[in-house]
Amino acid sequence: GESVGLHLPTLSVQEGDNSIINCAYSNSASDYFIWYKQESGKGPQFIIDIRSNMDKRQGQRVTVLLNKTVKHLSLQIAATQPGDSAVYFCAEIRETSGSRLTFGEGTQLTVNP
Amino acid sequence: NAGVTQTPKFRILKIGQSMTLQCAQDMNHNYMYWYRQDPGMGLKLIYYSVGAGITDKGEVPNGYNVSRSTTEDFPLRLELAAPSQTSVYFCASRERGQSSAEGYTFGSGTRLTVV
Repeated sequence: GESVGLHLPTLSVQEGDNSIINCAYSNSASDYFIWYKQESGKGPQFIIDIRSNMDKRQGQRVTVLLNKTVKHLSLQIAATQPGDSAVYFCAEIRETSGSRLTFGEGTQLTVNP
Repeated sequence: NAGVTQTPKFRILKIGQSMTLQCAQDMNHNYMYWYRQDPGMGLKLIYYSVGAGITDKGEVPNGYNVSRSTTEDFPLRLELAAPSQTSVYFCASRERGQSSAEGYTFGSGTRLTVV
């Protein structure tokens, strides 16, 4: 079936290092791909999104890469900080059917001081 | 603006009891959604609505009902609570026609335990 899924459930990095979180998707009809950050006890927080017709988008300390050939999405966080410790989800939107979000299962990022 | 407001924040139900999770938004958004999140998992869509009077099933609708009598409110009803419905429930809203995902607004969640 159609799905968005993550390669690794956990990622541990040293403070100051760059982090890369990966995601595979199966639905080629997605309009947007999104990365969310979720801290314990809170709702998802938008980080960055990318339209399906783009390959790369940069934000503040974050970059999202989309490889449509292999249906792969990644989130790169530069100079990872302790405040970046959280669960990261990829998600996709299809603008038909009410712009519903379909989430992957999350990667726990731990930043060690 | 308060954004998306969910009540209650926490609730413990006994098996077979019923309850309504409230969700209200003050942004005049057309689209509203209910998601549930099980431990360590991503959010799964229960029901959604594209406007007052219109609702549709999502990925996991069984055991739930919704209504959308106004633009502002989108309550989620559990009729016969089961342990499998123990989860964190998130309500979200979005304006129709927005060109990015940044326009989704999530509530702070309702943590429900069925015992």
